[in-house]
Amino acid sequence: GIQVEQSPPDLILQEGANSTLRCNFSDSVNNLQWFHQNPWGQLINLFYIPSGTKQNGRLSATTVATERYSLLYISSSQTTDSGVYFCAGREDTGTASKLTFGTGTRLQVTL
Amino acid sequence: DTGVSQDPRHKITKRGQNVTFRCDPISEHNRLYWYRQTLGQGPEFLTYFQNEAQLEKSRLLSDRFSAERPKGSFSTLEIQRTEQGDSAMYLCASTRGGAVYEQYFGPGTRLTVT
Repeated sequence: GIQVEQSPPDLILQEGANSTLRCNFSDSVNNLQWFHQNPWGQLINLFYIPSGTKQNGRLSATTVATERYSLLYISSSQTTDSGVYFCAGREDTGTASKLTFGTGTRLQVTL
Repeated sequence: DTGVSQDPRHKITKRGQNVTFRCDPISEHNRLYWYRQTLGQGPEFLTYFQNEAQLEKSRLLSDRFSAERPKGSFSTLEIQRTEQGDSAMYLCASTRGGAVYEQYFGPGTRLTVT
């Protein structure tokens, strides 16, 4: 099956710091998505980014599909950014099948 | 669009009981997915519907699990004879279909089997 790996597994930041989260994925993974899971378990869509770069406020993401990685940048972090960040990819089988998730990066932003 | 909704949000049941969860996708989304998430892990795929047809099932979906989407709108996931290992968050997602693959998730149903 396809592989999705995230690093680092845990990250502690002071408020105001910047961070980069990485997602490596195997061949035949596409349609990459980034999610933030809040403390209540809700998965919130951050980016749908099969390739290229997107920005949304303090967050931006870049996917280099040819090198099979994606990066999520968080700038000027806030305590509300705390939670678990997941990347997930869909196997390129030509059908609209499942997402495979990484194991997540747990981010804690402290005052 | 209203988002994906799930009911109930929490369920506590005793081992051996049957439970049923409901998912209402975003309107006009014809593809619906169920995932399960255990503590410290990412969500894992269980099953997928396109309209009312169940097109894919994971090996995680034992014969105690059944899912339906009778009219191609809402879906139900039933677990029979629950076991403590079934304790998890059950997540539902939907996507519009066609060439659009971005999935949107509901708030989940947290199941605790005692």
